Amino acid sequence: DTAVSQTPKYLVTQMGNDKSIKCEQNLGHDTMYWYKQDSKKFLKIMFSYNNKELIINETVPNRFSPKSPDKAHLNLHINSLELGDSAVYFCASSQDRRPNTEAFFGQGTRLTVV
Amino acid sequence: AQSVTQLDSQVPVFEEAPVELRCNYSSSVSVYLFWYVQYPNQGLQLLLKYLSGSTLVESINGFEAEFNKSQTSFHLRKPSVHISDTAEYFCAVSTGGFKTIFGAGTRLFVKA
Repeated sequence: DTAVSQTPKYLVTQMGNDKSIKCEQNLGHDTMYWYKQDSKKFLKIMFSYNNKELIINETVPNRFSPKSPDKAHLNLHINSLELGDSAVYFCASSQDRRPNTEAFFGQGTRLTVV
Repeated sequence: AQSVTQLDSQVPVFEEAPVELRCNYSSSVSVYLFWYVQYPNQGLQLLLKYLSGSTLVESINGFEAEFNKSQTSFHLRKPSVHISDTAEYFCAVSTGGFKTIFGAGTRLFVKA
């Protein structure tokens, strides 16, 4: 069974569209994250939720809105997509919010905005 | 605020040669240090971590890293690499701020 699964794996869409990426973890973890990896492989945290509560909200355009219906799911909705949103988006989870816990990553969603 | 610097963006090396991937960090408080590996078209996986205790930590596939507090470094080493070690390697640091900071990554390319 996949520990952290995200769908879709690939997403090609036009500028101005709205899209969602879904993420689920079956590890029983309390904390989940969204990361953005750009074309140079730089990985930047966007959001983090702990038990459905938003705990990290980096400087991200408000077109990006995370939603955590329960602690096993963290979805990312993006409005009015722009060319610069093209990247690989990774969902991750960790046992809890303590800094000494490792993160488990999904396979990534490659978003291409045309 | 903490930061992580991976000094080499790419490291080409021949199979069976030793390799060192360098990582330096800055932080005013105690840190936890991680190395993650990303194989092509996959997510990141934990390779090894330093939390406390022995400054030398090892992974199951022959990598090791040494925490050096005075030099604020956490370099990753392997005495003999394989083709299958070709991947992107990320150093990461975490403190008490609920946020892990990743380095820019080092691409290890192992040549036959």
